[in-house]
Amino acid sequence: EVQLLESGGGLVQPGGSLRLSCAASGFTFSNYAMSWVRQAPGKGLEWVSAISDSGSSTYYADSVKGRFTISRDNSKNTLFLQMNSLRAEDTAVYYCAKLVLRAVTTQIMDYWGQGTLVTVSS
Amino acid sequence: DIQMTQSPSSLSASVGDRVTITCRASQNIRTYLNWYQQKPGKAPKLLISATSRLQSGVPSTFSGGGSGAAFTLTISSLQPEDFATYYCQQSFNTPPTFGQGTKVEVK
Repeated sequence: EVQLLESGGGLVQPGGSLRLSCAASGFTFSNYAMSWVRQAPGKGLEWVSAISDSGSSTYYADSVKGRFTISRDNSKNTLFLQMNSLRAEDTAVYYCAKLVLRAVTTQIMDYWGQGTLVTVSS
Repeated sequence: DIQMTQSPSSLSASVGDRVTITCRASQNIRTYLNWYQQKPGKAPKLLISATSRLQSGVPSTFSGGGSGAAFTLTISSLQPEDFATYYCQQSFNTPPTFGQGTKVEVK
């Protein structure tokens, strides 16, 4: 059974940093690209970032480019999102999602974690 | 970025009703269109990929159609567990973009 378990969310002040983790199990993690998607309270879904199976290719939404960094440790089956210079508008539930392919060529998200809440507020 | 527009934003329906949700893309995305279901407090769940490919375990009451820039999600007979918010998403290019969602509520 595929499982994705996010952690690392919490309350942070504007300008602060957080590192999210997503522990994967139930599939060969190193064979699939992964994404982060967020959802602000009461709002829709917004794609944030994606990474290829090997980690050699990364992609970002314009809204987070230069502030967020996606990475993965295939030896530990874990996906990360380092978030710096956080803003109030980054407040959201952050989901990690497994993609159906190795490469980030077409982002079909077939499994999602339960999400972790990030709140940016003073 | 490709803009995805769903209609309606919400609808009220009864168990057993046939429900259709429309999703329009701002450009031709061929059949690179996916549908997700989200229940309150839960993660989205992939229902249909590539316009019409039903995911394993998804009831056959769900179907998807369309191509190019206009797509539909149809629930042929609404069940109690189908009351949720539905999102379309294009996977034609990066960034992938979502529609704003359609909330299916109890009439």
